[in-house]
Amino acid sequence: DAGITQSPRYKITETGRQVTLMCHQTWSHSYMFWYRQDLGHGLRLIYYSAAADITDKGEVPDGYVVSRSKTENFPLTLESATRSQTSVYFCASKDTNSGNTIYFGEGSWLTVV
Amino acid sequence: GDSVTQMEGPVTLSEEAFLTINCTYTATGYPSLFWYVQYPGEGLQLLLKATKADDKGSNKGFEATYRKETTSFHLEKGSVQVSDSAVYFCALIGSSYKLIFGSGTRLLVRP
Repeated sequence: DAGITQSPRYKITETGRQVTLMCHQTWSHSYMFWYRQDLGHGLRLIYYSAAADITDKGEVPDGYVVSRSKTENFPLTLESATRSQTSVYFCASKDTNSGNTIYFGEGSWLTVV
Repeated sequence: GDSVTQMEGPVTLSEEAFLTINCTYTATGYPSLFWYVQYPGEGLQLLLKATKADDKGSNKGFEATYRKETTSFHLEKGSVQVSDSAVYFCALIGSSYKLIFGSGTRLLVRP
């Protein structure tokens, strides 16, 4: 089925380890985004990408790295995980042909112990 | 910069009650406006949207009208159900091309 998928859905990792969250969309949307959702903070933008090989920082980029070598993939890497990065991570893509509607993946629940 | 302000929750209602969740925004130009819903343990789903002034978005009995004069996009439903219990997010896309969220409003509907 077409859509946006994230993996893994659930992950527990240790402090200091590198973790990569994958995001794949089948619509060929140019824009893709990574958000994190935390109690008391709502959704905050980590990074976004306007097209392949074009990425930019959002509100809370520190400690994260992204890449976009192909339009359909937008992985998010935590280079050295910290407990403060325990969160739910949502990937999203934007349909510029439909009123700029943004569609979200189902989320990746990450716990850093 | 662009911003969205929505009423704090939780909002607790009895089944079949009328729902209003207020949302106001600040943006330059003509943003597109959205309501997203998040059910417990799930991701965000687009509930409805409006792309220009006076547009009314509607879905699943929910409605919201894009009011440019009051910079508002209030969510309404005439008769809520227990299954509507969720967190509702108002959001906009403005000149920055990024989706800006409100803080979310938790709705609890009791039988």
